[in-house]
Amino acid sequence: TQLLEQSPQFLSIQEGENLTVYCNSSSVFSSLQWYRQEPGEGPVLLVTVVTGGEVKKLKRLTFQFGDARKDSSLHITAAQPGDTGLYLCAGAKAGNNRKLIWGLGTSLAVNP
Amino acid sequence: NAGVTQTPKFQVLKTGQSMTLQCAQDMNHEYMSWYRQDPGMGLRLIHYSVGAGITDQGEVPNGYNVSRSTTEDFPLRLLSAAPSQTSVYFCAAGFNQPQHFGDGTRLSIL
Repeated sequence: TQLLEQSPQFLSIQEGENLTVYCNSSSVFSSLQWYRQEPGEGPVLLVTVVTGGEVKKLKRLTFQFGDARKDSSLHITAAQPGDTGLYLCAGAKAGNNRKLIWGLGTSLAVNP
Repeated sequence: NAGVTQTPKFQVLKTGQSMTLQCAQDMNHEYMSWYRQDPGMGLRLIHYSVGAGITDQGEVPNGYNVSRSTTEDFPLRLLSAAPSQTSVYFCAAGFNQPQHFGDGTRLSIL
């Protein structure tokens, strides 16, 4: 059972478009992390959100943690080819801060 | 800025062989972990450690051993390699601090 569902699984867009990817669960998380992974490399942490309703911005990337801390979204404005990669979300369940629960990822391709 | 260093980067083994995947970190994180990443399966936790001398099982521990004698090093041992262990293996240091990953070891078992 995949506790963190990411959607869409694949996304191919043109440079300059906006997009949103989602990370959903029926479980409550004490924190949720977003990573980007490029081919041949390990995941790189983008952001950690810990408070329900929290919004964090990282240049053209906006991350939101749901009020109930069960879901999160990542919005990219004016996507660029350098945004291409696999976006992964991972959550630490409340009461268990030793194991992260991972989604399967959204594979994003931004075409010039 | 080394962070987490994994060796080797690539390895081909025959069924039944044993080997050790090395992982070293220079960030003084207490928490370290090993994952495998397979298409359609995502990242799955193999073993983790919350400090020197302390290890615990993750989601898919069978066929793997770990030890943590120092804060810096967290090797993963394959006892008797099987084709099902063909995968990309990632070591990570940190948990919420944030978590840093190595660049992975690509392992093929023939």
